[in-house]
Amino acid sequence: EPEVTQTPSHQVTQMGQEVILRCVPISNHLYFYWYRQILGQKVEFLVSFYNNEISEKSEIFDDQFSVERPDGSNFTLKIRSTKLEDSAMYFCASSERGGPDTQYFGPGTRLTVL
Amino acid sequence: KNQVEQSPQSLIILEGKNCTLQCNYTVSPFSNLRWYKQDTGRGPVSLTIMTFSENTKSNGRYTATLDADTKQSSLHITASQLSDSASYICVVRLGGYNKLIFGAGTRLAVHP
Repeated sequence: EPEVTQTPSHQVTQMGQEVILRCVPISNHLYFYWYRQILGQKVEFLVSFYNNEISEKSEIFDDQFSVERPDGSNFTLKIRSTKLEDSAMYFCASSERGGPDTQYFGPGTRLTVL
Repeated sequence: KNQVEQSPQSLIILEGKNCTLQCNYTVSPFSNLRWYKQDTGRGPVSLTIMTFSENTKSNGRYTATLDADTKQSSLHITASQLSDSASYICVVRLGGYNKLIFGAGTRLAVHP
């Protein structure tokens, strides 16, 4: 069964450094998402992406964040200058269509900012 | 404010027993409600999706109910197994958007 994959599984970085989290969505899916989950807290929506542009973003997704689909398979989340509070699990998800379609989640990347 | 509240926060049951998890939401406009299972350190996995007009939906031993009038949903697990130990998250999709609003989850532990 096709699945969403994410790399790396764990990323440790120094405060102020840039990080890029990578995701490979399911191949025939057209909608892509990033979520984050701070330890012990709810999963929070960050951004949705369709047709090579951001379709929705939350208040969390400020200028420090950006997303890109650099080629036909990868979907990336870049954090320009990491802060301690960016430490969280970051989940990528994809769906074939938007709206009511099931979003399939990847296993997550644990980001630790020191 | 759009919110999803779940109860109980955690639950311990014995293998083979049934349990019911609750979800209340104040999301508007409402599009659909989903239950996800999340194993520790893993991404959420979809169990059911219910739209406004659906009252009940089953997926194996999982049965979800939805009362759109009272804005309540439940997830019933029958004949629990050790592998059911996980967090169960109620998620509501905001109407007209792709954004999902997550509850905090119920952490279920099934003991032998």
